Amino acid sequence: QQQVKQSPQSLIVQKGGISIINCAYENTAFDYFPWYQQFPGKGPALLIAIRPDVSEKKEGRFTISFNKSAKQFSLHIMDSQPGDSATYFCAPNTGTASKLTFGTGTRLQVTL
Amino acid sequence: NAGVTQTPKFRILKIGQSMTLQCTQDMNHNYMYWYRQDPGMGLKLIYYSVGAGITDKGEVPNGYNVSRSTTEDFPLRLELAAPSQTSVYFCASSYLEGGNYGYTFGSGTRLTVV
Repeated sequence: QQQVKQSPQSLIVQKGGISIINCAYENTAFDYFPWYQQFPGKGPALLIAIRPDVSEKKEGRFTISFNKSAKQFSLHIMDSQPGDSATYFCAPNTGTASKLTFGTGTRLQVTL
Repeated sequence: NAGVTQTPKFRILKIGQSMTLQCTQDMNHNYMYWYRQDPGMGLKLIYYSVGAGITDKGEVPNGYNVSRSTTEDFPLRLELAAPSQTSVYFCASSYLEGGNYGYTFGSGTRLTVV
């Protein structure tokens, strides 16, 4: 059973544009909704995360939008830069052991 | 702070050989994890630990073993390596602070089984 579906698989955006990546989940017990950023040859790193008691969280150029009823959350990257080129994973989770269930990833390429 | 350190960074194994992937963290995190990442895929949980002396299976534990004798170290053992274990392995640790579950990942071990 696939609990987390991420889309699109890949995305090409021009510098200065908006990148949008979506994540749909099935487990209604999830209570923490992070996005991880992974550069080639590196491990994933926590980028931004949201709790279900708010619908949006913004940190600099990065925004998470959360729709609890639709069981979806998305990552918006404003004014996308070539340095944002990476693979992005959503990883909703729950519980103190916090075993992350990762999406399959979105490879973002920001062109000049 | 070093964070999460994994060794080796690269390794080539022959079918049937065994090896141990090392992982150590210096953040005093109780929770530690091993994931594998296949090309173009997300990360799948192999084993995890909620503290020294306590381990449990994740999604894909077959062919692997772990131990957690100290808070800092969480080695992953591959017995009788198979080509299907060719992957990039990531160790991670986490804390629970104010309801936020922050994971810190190591830089990975790229393993090829031939």
